[in-house]
Amino acid sequence: SYVLTQPPSVSVAPGQTARITCGGNNIGSTSVHWYQQKPGQAPVLVVYDDSDRPSGIPERFSGSNSGNTATLTISRVEAGDEADYSCQVWDSSSDHWVFGGGTKLTVL
Amino acid sequence: QVQLVQSGAEVKKPGASVKVSCKASGYILTNYYIYWVRQAPGQGLEWMGIINPSGGNTTYAQKFQGRVTMTSDTSTSTVYMELSSLRSEDAAVYFCARGPDVYYYGMDVWGQGTTVTVSS
Repeated sequence: SYVLTQPPSVSVAPGQTARITCGGNNIGSTSVHWYQQKPGQAPVLVVYDDSDRPSGIPERFSGSNSGNTATLTISRVEAGDEADYSCQVWDSSSDHWVFGGGTKLTVL
Repeated sequence: QVQLVQSGAEVKKPGASVKVSCKASGYILTNYYIYWVRQAPGQGLEWMGIINPSGGNTTYAQKFQGRVTMTSDTSTSTVYMELSSLRSEDAAVYFCARGPDVYYYGMDVWGQGTTVTVSS
C-alpha cells in the first residue's frame, strides 16, 4: 500500500517560515491535500490540489508538490498556527485515500 | 451555514455494532460525496470509506471490508456509518466529511466527530 511519510514534529519561531514535508513514491503525479487539526477539534482543509487555498484560509498557507515530496509552507508563523498538519492523497493502485502520519507544528 | 452534525458519543461492548449518523445542512446532500475518517487516541487520520449520497454507491477501505456499512437517507439529509464486530482497537473519534469530487478539492467541511468507546 502507498505510504506517506511526514516528520513527527517541526518547530519554528513566530514570524518565521515553517515547511512541512510529505514524502511518497512519485507523489508529484497526484493531487495532495493538507489539513490542520487543533487538539479536540475536527481537521480543517488548508490546501487542496497541491497549492490551492479554500476560502477563508490565509495567504500565508501555500503548497507545492514535485517528484517524491509535497510541501506545506506557512509564512509569518503565528501562535495560532500551532497544530497537527496531515497530508492526504488518492492512491490509484488501491483505490484508497491515504493520510500521512501527521506533523506537530510547535511555535516557539 | 454549511454544517455536518454527528450523533453523540457511544459506549459499546466488544463484538457489538455502532451506528454513527451525520446530518447535512446548508447544502444539497446529493451534490457532495461523504467520507468517513477515524482517529484513534494519539494517532493519525485513517480513511474508512466514501459514499455517494446520490445513488448510494460506496467504496470501503480494504481494512474495513465486511465490517463497515455506509448508507444515506436523502429525505433527512443524513448519512450513516455502521461498524460491526467492534474490538478495542476500534475505539476512536469518527468523523464524517464532505467533498465535491472523489479525487480533487479535498474534504472541505467536517463533522464535529463522534467518540466511540469499546469496553467490556
